[in-house]
Amino acid sequence: AQSVTQLGSHVSVSEGALVLLRCNYSSSVPPYLFWYVQYPNQGLQLLLKYTTGATLVKGINGFEAEFKKSETSFHLTKPSAHMSDAAEYFCAVSGKDGNEKLTFGTGTRLTIIP
Amino acid sequence: DGGITQSPKYLFRKEGQNVTLSCEQNLNHDAMYWYRQDPGQGLRLIYYSQIVNDFQKGDIAEGYSVSREKKESFPLTVTSAQKNPTAFYLCATRKTGTGGYTFGSGTRLTVV
Repeated sequence: AQSVTQLGSHVSVSEGALVLLRCNYSSSVPPYLFWYVQYPNQGLQLLLKYTTGATLVKGINGFEAEFKKSETSFHLTKPSAHMSDAAEYFCAVSGKDGNEKLTFGTGTRLTIIP
Repeated sequence: DGGITQSPKYLFRKEGQNVTLSCEQNLNHDAMYWYRQDPGQGLRLIYYSQIVNDFQKGDIAEGYSVSREKKESFPLTVTSAQKNPTAFYLCATRKTGTGGYTFGSGTRLTVV
């Protein structure tokens, strides 16, 4: 079984500042890890995913995340926040091979302060 | 363009009525999923189907039903047994072995 904990349901950062959204996971098998973004009244869009190999994963819109097995973490970062980054972000985990169900965290709403 | 079509975008239901939400895909993905989204609760899995003519209950299947007669289609019926159906419903697909899901744009259901 897998689970995901997203620390902080709301995060506010100033435009141009570092964005850090935290995600910790629990999995009994090697995980596949994902970050999705959701804009109001829309579906979820994949930002990035970790399957195997390099632990630093780069995604769209300047986001990246690092898989740290020892810390069971997969935090999402962006060096400089933009107003268009305001959205809700979901971390998710599935079992090995990615053929198991995807389990989502409860989400973090990111607000950008002008 | 390949994608997932959910319809309608907004749906209003009277108490005691059954309603069906449509999800159609032309991605040729094998697996399809229905999630329910409520504020502060993330996404919760209702039903999923990995092949045609087969589907499994997710974490919150009570009050819902599905069918998978065609690879392209996975409709969700919200029955009168669902006590609190007002929510945002998301359909997703997955290509076998890739892990990542592709999501539709959602249907917002409101009970009036």
